[in-house]
Amino acid sequence: GENVEQHPSTLSVQEGDSAVIKCTYSDSASNYFPWYKQELGKRPQLIIDIRSNVGEKKDQRIAVTLNKTAKHFSLHITETQPEDSAVYFCAASRAGGFKTIFGAGTRLFVKA
Amino acid sequence: EAQVTQNPRYLITVTGKKLTVTCSQNMNHEYMSWYRQDPGLGLRQIYYSMNVEVTDKGDVPEGYKVSRKEKRNFPLILESPSPNQTSLYFCASRPGTGSNQPQHFGDGTRLSIL
Repeated sequence: GENVEQHPSTLSVQEGDSAVIKCTYSDSASNYFPWYKQELGKRPQLIIDIRSNVGEKKDQRIAVTLNKTAKHFSLHITETQPEDSAVYFCAASRAGGFKTIFGAGTRLFVKA
Repeated sequence: EAQVTQNPRYLITVTGKKLTVTCSQNMNHEYMSWYRQDPGLGLRQIYYSMNVEVTDKGDVPEGYKVSRKEKRNFPLILESPSPNQTSLYFCASRPGTGSNQPQHFGDGTRLSIL
């Protein structure tokens, strides 16, 4: 079945450094790729998403890149801050489909 | 305020005692879904609903039932809970049946089955 692999499972960075989380999907028909942030004890919340008709999208310190040929997409956080510490999930879904497949999550620690 | 509301937030119960987790959204969303979250496994889809009276299985439907009699409500039913259903559960909704839209999640329900 379809799956999404996410790496690393844990990432620790110093405040001000950049963080990169990578995901690979198996379903070549996937065309929507959201990223969710989940703070401790809270619900997942969308931070950025990308559709397959673009290769990159940026929103302030956060950017996502998509390589459809390699079936690979990544989240980039620049100038990390302690409040960026959370679990981040990537996900993939296809047009006309009803399932969303999530990665296993990356726990990001930003050390002050 | 636009939101997805789940109840209860926490529940400790025993094996075999039927329970229902309610989910309600006030955004007139067509699509609703249930996920369970377990350490190292991310969010796995249990069931989803494309609209009233239209539901389908996700990736881990065993041991669960759902219903969608009204657009706003999508309860998750555990007829005979077992310890392997101990987990954190999230309900989510999105505007349409097209997949290219983000989901809005509820605050979660932590279930412990003893």
